[in-house]
Amino acid sequence: GAGVSQSPSNKVTEKGKDVELRCDPISGHTALYWYRQSLGQGLEFLIYFQGNSAPDKSGLPSDRFSAERTGGSVSTLTIQRTQQEDSAVYLCASSSQGTRNQPQHFGDGTRLSIL
Amino acid sequence: DQQVKQNSPSLSVQEGRISILNCDYTNSMFDYFLWYKKYPAEGPTFLISISSIKDKNEDGRFTVFLNKSAKHLSLHIVPSQPGDSAVYFCAAVGGSQGNLIFGKGTKLSVKP
Repeated sequence: GAGVSQSPSNKVTEKGKDVELRCDPISGHTALYWYRQSLGQGLEFLIYFQGNSAPDKSGLPSDRFSAERTGGSVSTLTIQRTQQEDSAVYLCASSSQGTRNQPQHFGDGTRLSIL
Repeated sequence: DQQVKQNSPSLSVQEGRISILNCDYTNSMFDYFLWYKKYPAEGPTFLISISSIKDKNEDGRFTVFLNKSAKHLSLHIVPSQPGDSAVYFCAAVGGSQGNLIFGKGTKLSVKP
């Protein structure tokens, strides 16, 4: 499809396990963002990639969270030693130029549940 | 401390009438705002945006108004349709990299 694709759509795992979430941005989009939405909350910024530049990790809540973007396209968000408070919907978005005023286009998210 | 606030968690409107969704922000440095619409189990969909150099932007049934002095913006939907029923998020461009700061959303229900 032409939109942002995320996988898996749902993930249930036990506390303490590591998880990997994947995002395929819209082809040609150079900017990629990760957000998460916890229950009853708005979306919270996590990390930003623009081209080959170093990512902006200022939103990552702890050092258990990391992300990479290979070849300027696909991105993976990794959460190590998951905790119950990590349960949320993790959303990826991309935009065409990464300038501040380009609308971001979102995937449908990964719903992560930590038991 | 929330920088973007949507104080009404829900709004119910009759089909054909106007829906008005409100949003307040605290940081006077914010200069670009967006509205997103979200259906259950889907990602947010971009709806409309406005730059702080304007006070109004219109796109079909959707109009966004910005009052910089009051740090307030609103989204008007006229006429409202049942398919407009969704959660609406207000967002401001917060960082130099363009990351968005979102409100908690307002759930709009349009009744036939």
